Amino acid sequence: EVQLVESGGGLVQPGGSLRLSCAASGFSFSNYGMHWVRQAPGKGLEYVSVISRDGGDTYYANSVKGRFTISRDNSRSTLFLQMGSLRDEDMGVYYCARHADSGDYHPLDYWGQGALVTVSS
Amino acid sequence: DIVMTQSPDSLAVSLGERATINCKSSQSVLYNSNNMNYLAWYQQIPGQPPKLLISWASTRESGVPDRFSGSGSGTDFTLTISSLQAEDVAVYYCQQYYSNPYNFGQGTKLEIK
Repeated sequence: EVQLVESGGGLVQPGGSLRLSCAASGFSFSNYGMHWVRQAPGKGLEYVSVISRDGGDTYYANSVKGRFTISRDNSRSTLFLQMGSLRDEDMGVYYCARHADSGDYHPLDYWGQGALVTVSS
Repeated sequence: DIVMTQSPDSLAVSLGERATINCKSSQSVLYNSNNMNYLAWYQQIPGQPPKLLISWASTRESGVPDRFSGSGSGTDFTLTISSLQAEDVAVYYCQQYYSNPYNFGQGTKLEIK
């Protein structure tokens, strides 16, 4: 059974940093691209970032570019999102999700339960 | 970036009736070389993560009831629920995966009338 479990969420002050993790199991992690998607309280889904199977290619939404870094450790089947210079508008639930196939350009077929990030002084 | 726009923002339908949600992309998500539309639909029940319902504009994922169907091509797409059930109350999102960023529509909230 495919499982994605996020951790590392919490309360952080504006301008602070936080590192999210997503532990994957039930599939060959190194064969799939992985994504982060976030959802502000009461709002819709916002695409954040993607990383290729080997970690060599990454993409960021303009809203987080230069502040967030996506990475992965295939030996530990874990995805990361290092978030810095956090702002009020970064607050919300952060989901990790799996690319639906080992190839390029596929939807997101499995999602974690999400990690809540609260930005407040 | 490709902008995805859904309509309506919210919808109330009686049990057993048809629900129709529309999604429009700012540019075509049809890849001509394979004639596939890079368009997905997700269902998000309150308090849960999104669930992939339909990929390639019209292909239902395994286990998704056949009352859910997707149609459309190019820039205009539709999600149809043929006979609304109580468990279908949710927010529905379209998403393009033709190019980065894989943007979502703003969501359509579906309720029971």
